Amino acid sequence: AQSVSQHNHHVILSEAASLELGCNYSYGGTVNLFWYVQYPGQHLQLLLKYFSGDPLVKGIKGFEAEFIKSKFSFNLRKPSVQWSDTAEYFCAVGPSGGYQKVTFGTGTKLQVIP
Amino acid sequence: EPEVTQTPSHQVTQMGQEVILRCVPISNHLYFYWYRQILGQKVEFLVSFYNNEISEKSEIFDDQFSVERPDGSNFTLKIRSTKLEDSAMYFCASSAGAGGGTGELFFGEGSRLTVL
Repeated sequence: AQSVSQHNHHVILSEAASLELGCNYSYGGTVNLFWYVQYPGQHLQLLLKYFSGDPLVKGIKGFEAEFIKSKFSFNLRKPSVQWSDTAEYFCAVGPSGGYQKVTFGTGTKLQVIP
Repeated sequence: EPEVTQTPSHQVTQMGQEVILRCVPISNHLYFYWYRQILGQKVEFLVSFYNNEISEKSEIFDDQFSVERPDGSNFTLKIRSTKLEDSAMYFCASSAGAGGGTGELFFGEGSRLTVL
């Protein structure tokens, strides 16, 4: 069975600080990896995804993530956060292929202070 | 841009009552899912549905839950006899699926269920 762990439950940063949120997964096969974001009062939205190819993936709003297969990691980064990045971030993993059940991590609440 | 829509956005019900949550997935998608998020907890998989049958379900998805695609466009989650612990945000999702689908899940805005 697949599992995802997110190391940070709550992160507080000042605007313009750099962000890195950790994500490790466990799965025996080839995986697809995702970061979803949930802004306050809104639904889950896809931030970025990795299926294959370049392990450095760029997403929306200046976010990127790097897939390191040897470490089973898919950390999310942003060089300079903004107040509008305040949200909850979920790492998720699913087996590669057309059909997949995606398993979510516990989420990291990011609070950006102006 | 196509989107997944869910109704109602919020439902309050008494314990023991039946609830039906409705979802309209993206029209050309093949796979449909229900997830839930209890306040302050992680997003949990409930069930996936493909080709008019359940593909996979979690241990949360017990006999009081059922899903249906009654008319080719709606995808419903029924909770037969609600319990207090069913209070959560329920998210519907769909994905394109096999044959070139990327597997990306598109989520609806969620239906908040409050059981009193």
